[in-house]
Amino acid sequence: DADVTQTPRNRITKTGKRIMLECSQTKGHDRMYWYRQDPGLGLRLIYYSFDVKDINKGEISDGYSVSRQAQAKFSLSLESAIPNQTALYFCATSDRTDQPQHFGDGTRLSIL
Amino acid sequence: GNSVTQMEGPVTLSEEAFLTINCTYTATGYPSLFWYVQYPGEGLQLLLKATKADDKGSNKGFEATYRKETTSFHLEKGSVQVSDSAVYFCALSESPGGTSYGKLTFGQGTILTVHP
Repeated sequence: DADVTQTPRNRITKTGKRIMLECSQTKGHDRMYWYRQDPGLGLRLIYYSFDVKDINKGEISDGYSVSRQAQAKFSLSLESAIPNQTALYFCATSDRTDQPQHFGDGTRLSIL
Repeated sequence: GNSVTQMEGPVTLSEEAFLTINCTYTATGYPSLFWYVQYPGEGLQLLLKATKADDKGSNKGFEATYRKETTSFHLEKGSVQVSDSAVYFCALSESPGGTSYGKLTFGQGTILTVHP
């Protein structure tokens, strides 16, 4: 089983819909992150959490919200999806900030 | 703020050719530097890292040396294989005390295709 699991792997939805992407991890890491990947732009940080009670905005948090339900679970929500949120979304975890991050396989989200 | 700049891609090579993917960065202090690789349909995997100046990270035949004087961390491999075809990302993590400590800043990624 994967250490960092993202669900769903693919999702197609319509403008205005509420979407939730889920991430769970079995690595026991305190730190979790959500990124989006767009062609030619690399990965950009949406939100991050250093523990269950600590949630921080990343560089592109507008239009997104998150919930850290437990150490192992970190969900990303799009309250009212818009087409320019079409992207590949990755969840990642890390133990300490000087340790490498471990990534899930991504969720491909298409908003029509 | 912090930034990472990678050479423009895509890069297309024949098997056994020499690979260089350039990466330069802007950051305060002494960041840690990483190369990640993304194979088709998968998430990113750590390829190698270096945490201080003059460190050399290496893995699977790939190498990169942390050059503080030129703020660079170029990725090299002496003889690429078809299986090395992937997207490669350079990234940095700011040193403790920085405002962005604990977050990764990524380059835009370089697509590598290796032909038999």
